[in-house]
Amino acid sequence: QVQLVQSGAEVKKPGASVKVSCKASGYTFTSYDINWVRQATGQGLEWMGWMNPNSGNTGYAQKFQGRVTMTRNTSISTAYMELSSLRSEDTAVYYCARGPLQLMDYWGQGTLVTVSS
Amino acid sequence: QSALTQPASVSGSPGQSITISCTGTSSDVGGYNYVSWYQQHPGKAPKLMIYDVSNRPSGVSNRFSGSKSGNTASLTISGLQAEDEADYYCSSYTSSFLVFGGGTKLTVL
Repeated sequence: QVQLVQSGAEVKKPGASVKVSCKASGYTFTSYDINWVRQATGQGLEWMGWMNPNSGNTGYAQKFQGRVTMTRNTSISTAYMELSSLRSEDTAVYYCARGPLQLMDYWGQGTLVTVSS
Repeated sequence: QSALTQPASVSGSPGQSITISCTGTSSDVGGYNYVSWYQQHPGKAPKLMIYDVSNRPSGVSNRFSGSKSGNTASLTISGLQAEDEADYYCSSYTSSFLVFGGGTKLTVL
């Protein structure tokens, strides 16, 4: 069965970076894009960007351009999302999701990133 | 990219039907047949309920249906059940990006 398993919760100080992983299983990792979506507590969903695991091509939402980097390691079927220059407003649950961005059919369990001094 | 507009909340009694609207522009909802709907229960990851405006993934109840007219998409849930109580989000493709609606809290009375 398709599964996306994300890394555990993180606590970071303002200005630091965080790197969240998303390990895929149950399908061919390079056949589907990986998207990243975040959700602040009590707030809505916010799309951050996508990555093609086969080519490594990426596309980032304008809001995160210059601060986010999406990469992958195909040998271990794992995608990564790194967000830099963290601020308190980046405190949120970060999800990875499989699919083209208009059709995200499987989601990870979410990773809570807390930014606090 | 501006968020799509959804009502903050809707409610209905068991067995009734409800509709949630999702209003965008000709650059997103009106310009592409790539509207999706997600259901999210508290503390859980979102679940895809509708894609490409009106298609249901395998395993999703046929009580859920989607449609679009102009710049507004709609999600209809018929025969409301207690387990339908959740937050619902629409999303639309827009020239290589994705935009979400603000979310709608569905309460089953």
